[in-house]
Amino acid sequence: EIVLTQSPGTLSLSPGERATLSCRASQSFSSSYLAWYQQKPGQAPRLLIYGASSRATGIPDRFSGSGSGTDFTLTISRLEPEDFVVYYCQHYGSFMWTFGQGTKVEIK
Amino acid sequence: QVHLVQSGAEVKKPGSSVKVSCKASGATFSSYAISWVRQAPGQGLEWMGGIIPLFGSVNYAQMFQGRVTITADKSTNTAYMELSSLRSEDTAVYYCARSLGVISYFDYWGQGILVTVSS
Repeated sequence: EIVLTQSPGTLSLSPGERATLSCRASQSFSSSYLAWYQQKPGQAPRLLIYGASSRATGIPDRFSGSGSGTDFTLTISRLEPEDFVVYYCQHYGSFMWTFGQGTKVEIK
Repeated sequence: QVHLVQSGAEVKKPGSSVKVSCKASGATFSSYAISWVRQAPGQGLEWMGGIIPLFGSVNYAQMFQGRVTITADKSTNTAYMELSSLRSEDTAVYYCARSLGVISYFDYWGQGILVTVSS
């Protein structure tokens, strides 16, 4: 089973700044099978990125994903007030899904 | 547009079971998969298991093996998750989520069901 470790646990930044979130896997896998989700308080997660770098429908272009092998990154180019929430990475394998433990982006 | 509508909140006693539902509208079950994901208060997301309703194929996360049963009724486009031998640590919000197959991301989520386990 692939284990995903996200870092940092909490990221303190100001609106307008750039956020870089990391997701590291315990073993290498195809970037086709990595997704990122955003979760606001009291809401279900929302798909942001799939295939490591493809934005989901309706996702602003300030969100971008990159990476391969065991190291993946979610970048938010300029933080908007609504971006200060929690983000999860996810690996999807053959009928199995695993999540990272999440990164909270908070206002500095 | 796909909508996943889940049943209402539950309060259960330790040792009992809970069965929750997830009804899909806007698309038939076809060959996509429905998974169940839980989130304990203040914690992260945890995949519990999934089903391909068209075929009835299921797979469970190892930590829930033997305690969780996921089923689906193709005639009503509804998936079910039953968790047995409940304990206080099972208090969580339980989400259903759709993926286009067994190797795909979750593109639609239900609204979540709070299950509280308390004596």
